[in-house]
Amino acid sequence: KAGVTQTPRYLIKTRGQQVTLSCSPISGHRSVSWYQQTPGQGLQFLFEYFSETQRNKGNFPGRFSGRQFSNSRSEMNVSTLELGDSALYLCASSDGDWGVRFFGQGTRLTVV
Amino acid sequence: SQQGEEDPQALSIQEGENATMNCSYKTSINNLQWYRQNSGRGLVHLILIRSNEREKHSGRLRVTLDTSKKSSSLLITASRAADTASYFCATDAIRGSSNTGKLIFGQGTTLQVKP
Repeated sequence: KAGVTQTPRYLIKTRGQQVTLSCSPISGHRSVSWYQQTPGQGLQFLFEYFSETQRNKGNFPGRFSGRQFSNSRSEMNVSTLELGDSALYLCASSDGDWGVRFFGQGTRLTVV
Repeated sequence: SQQGEEDPQALSIQEGENATMNCSYKTSINNLQWYRQNSGRGLVHLILIRSNEREKHSGRLRVTLDTSKKSSSLLITASRAADTASYFCATDAIRGSSNTGKLIFGQGTTLQVKP
């Protein structure tokens, strides 16, 4: 089975722009979750989708949004980018409610 | 906010030595997992231990869980240079008896294994 695929791997954006990141989960996995990783805050949960429904959302402003499609692929969008949004964004998929998550290689977003 | 705390934050050892890292968490859990991350890349799952287990082995990895102390430890035996990475513990956030789909990570331990 192919692993979790995130695109693009690297992205440079300017403050005020918006960005869309994509995640293709492992085939058959219905849960996709997103995490932001920064040196200061560590790994923080953004949101989780299961069968196209957002089940949980972390403590992030409304500029951060996401969605999941019927084929389980997921996108997250960040609008009005700020310098502090520079981070590694990780997507993870799983086939059940508990337990092991399979992570993609991440998208490194730099906001200048 | 992070639930887990890990110590040490950084660990440097020689190849062949054992490495032990510890994790503490705050709430009830169904399981606890350990992940490895190589230099800014994705996380790789290492091992999962359920709340009713006390110890689990996988190759050179040994994980213990003490639910009374809300703590876990990861032991890597006979370390290799390739084990150089950051290690994170993680627990599933639970709301009532339901899983929320959210993993709560510790701050991580950065391990350097010198050849």
